[in-house]
Amino acid sequence: KAGVTQTPRYLIKTRGQQVTLSCSPISGHRSVSWYQQTPGQGLQFLFEYFSETQRNKGNFPGRFSGRQFSNSRSEMNVSTLELGDSALYLCASSPATGYTGELFFGEGSRLTVL
Amino acid sequence: AQSVTQLDSHVSVSEGTPVLLRCNYSSSYSPSLFWYVQHPNKGLQLLLKYTSAATLVKGINGFEAEFKKSETSFHLTKPSAHMSDAAEYFCVVSDRYGGATNKLIFGTGTLLAVQP
Repeated sequence: KAGVTQTPRYLIKTRGQQVTLSCSPISGHRSVSWYQQTPGQGLQFLFEYFSETQRNKGNFPGRFSGRQFSNSRSEMNVSTLELGDSALYLCASSPATGYTGELFFGEGSRLTVL
Repeated sequence: AQSVTQLDSHVSVSEGTPVLLRCNYSSSYSPSLFWYVQHPNKGLQLLLKYTSAATLVKGINGFEAEFKKSETSFHLTKPSAHMSDAAEYFCVVSDRYGGATNKLIFGTGTLLAVQP
């Protein structure tokens, strides 16, 4: 069974641009979560989607958004990029409809903002 | 609010010696606690989880953790370290205020080095 796949793995953008990251969950998993990892702030929850609905959101500005498609694939978008958005963005999927905390993570998309 | 504190940012052990990674938690009620591991340039992998069924939890690769309510601790141990254990380890608590979600609150991580 294929794991969680994130694309692109690496990207470089400049301030003010926008970026879209993609995540394909493990087949059959309907919950997709996104996390941001930086050296300064550590791992922080961005949002979670289940059956195309956002069911929880972290404390990030509105520039960070996401969506989930009917096949459970998810995208997140960051608009008007800032230097501080440079981070590893991790996607995770979960098979359960309810809460378990057992997440399967992808290898991440490393974003560098210049 | 839920939180976890990892007491050591770096731990170095020799191969074959025991590993102890310390974590304290704060929670208004019985928490769900986890340990995740991140190898260099890799995503995170679940090592083990505690959800009140048993206080001693066994995970993958010989790791285990003991939930101690009186000490609000959830320390991760392994009897004998292997070179492949070198990685960053995260103590994690679930944020349950939001209902049925997978919102996890991560500790700051402990980088484990294993010396030959």
